Amino acid sequence: DIQLTQSPSFLSASVGDRVIITCRASQAISSFLAWYQQKPGKAPKLLIYAASTLQSGVPSRFSGSGSGTEFTLTVSSLQPEDFATYYCQQVGFYPLTFGGGTKVEIK
Amino acid sequence: EVQLVESGGGLVQPGGSLRLSCVASGFTFSSYSMKWVRQTPGKRLEWLSFISVGGYTIHYADSVRGRFTVSRDDAKNSLYLQMNSLRVEDTAVYYCARKKGEHDSSWFYDFWGQGTLVTVSS
Repeated sequence: DIQLTQSPSFLSASVGDRVIITCRASQAISSFLAWYQQKPGKAPKLLIYAASTLQSGVPSRFSGSGSGTEFTLTVSSLQPEDFATYYCQQVGFYPLTFGGGTKVEIK
Repeated sequence: EVQLVESGGGLVQPGGSLRLSCVASGFTFSSYSMKWVRQTPGKRLEWLSFISVGGYTIHYADSVRGRFTVSRDDAKNSLYLQMNSLRVEDTAVYYCARKKGEHDSSWFYDFWGQGTLVTVSS
C-alpha cells in the first residue's frame, strides 16, 4: 500500500500567514493526488486535484504543487475560514490512501 | 444541487450487521462511480470500497474484504454498503463520495455526503 506522510501534523498560524503543508508518498504516484479541507462535523471538501488543479469555487489563495512523491498545499494568505484540518489522498493505486491530516489552528 | 445523503448507521454489537444507504440527487447517479470512506474517532480517513458505473468493477480495502459488500441501485439513485461481522474497530463515521467525472473521466472524487455514524460496542 502507498503510505502518505503529511507534515506538520499540527500548525499554529495567524490570519494573513502563508502556510505550506507537505505530503510525501512512499512511492511515485505521478499527479494522482488530491487535497481536502475538513471542518468539525462536516465532510471533507475537495480543494485541489491532480496535484495542482484548483477545484471550481475554491479561492485562489489555495494552490498545490508537486509530482512523483513530494507534494505541497499552500495557502497564500490564511483567512479565518481556513482554520481546519487538511488531508491529502492518492487515487492512482488501490487501496486508495489518505495522509494523517494537518490541523491548522489560530495562533 | 448535488446531494448525497447517508443513512443506516447506529449502535450494533460486535458480530452484528448493518446496511448503510447513500441516496443521490442533483445529478445522473447512474453515470458516476462511487466510493465509501470512513473516519475513525481519531480522525483517520480510510477508503473502504469502490463501485464503478453499472457495478462492473468493485474494489475493497483488505480490512473489510469478505465482510462488507458494496452495491448500487441506479433506479433508486442509491448506493449501499452491507456490513457483516462488525468489529469494535469498525466504529467510525461512514461517508459516500462521488467520482468527479461521468463514466470515470476523472480519477478524483468531488462531492461527499454528510456521513452516518456506526458504533460497534457491547
